[in-house]
Amino acid sequence: KQEVTQIPAALSVPEGENLVLNCSFTDSAIYNLQWFRQDPGKGLTSLLLIQSSQREQTSGRLNASLDKSSGRSTLYIAASQPGDSATYLCAVGKGTGANNLFFGTGTRLTVIP
Amino acid sequence: GAVVSQHPSWVICKSGTSVKIECRSLDFQATTMFWYRQFPKQSLMLMATSNEGSKATYEQGVEKDKFLINHASLTLSTLTVTSAHPEDSSFYICSARDQPNIQYFGAGTRLSVL
Repeated sequence: KQEVTQIPAALSVPEGENLVLNCSFTDSAIYNLQWFRQDPGKGLTSLLLIQSSQREQTSGRLNASLDKSSGRSTLYIAASQPGDSATYLCAVGKGTGANNLFFGTGTRLTVIP
Repeated sequence: GAVVSQHPSWVICKSGTSVKIECRSLDFQATTMFWYRQFPKQSLMLMATSNEGSKATYEQGVEKDKFLINHASLTLSTLTVTSAHPEDSSFYICSARDQPNIQYFGAGTRLSVL
């Protein structure tokens, strides 16, 4: 069974700092990997989607990498802002069509003004 | 982008009552929708896969008679928590699958059973 781990569980950084969030998964036979943002009591906002054949995706200040063979992904946030404070979840899609999404427990990020 | 609407966003009910949660894809048709549950400080766990016009597929450990899923149209799936108990209190999130195989998530429903 696929297990997804995110480290650290919580992270506090001063505004303006660059930071990296980590995600590891046990089964490298994945369809894709997604990074989501979840604000308290709210649903999920998709940030980046990396297909299994890709190594990275970029959107604005966000860059996500994927190393399928080692079972790792990172989310890099440049020049962090207080508005980036949220819980970040990674989810691994398995099976054709990625019907099964396996989620990590998330990293709770706080950016201090 | 694709939008998924989930209603209600928060519901409080008495133990023993049933609660219905709706999930709608607003600007696309979704033959497949998914229902997840998230307990405090835990990850989202897939409960069931809802297929339009057919029975839902439940994950191991999820009681199909307690969590009734109906996917009667291409834009609507409902989850009914029957005879809810305090241990059913959780955050329920739905998603709808669009092409090419991307899931779009609703805002979630917080269920509190007294």
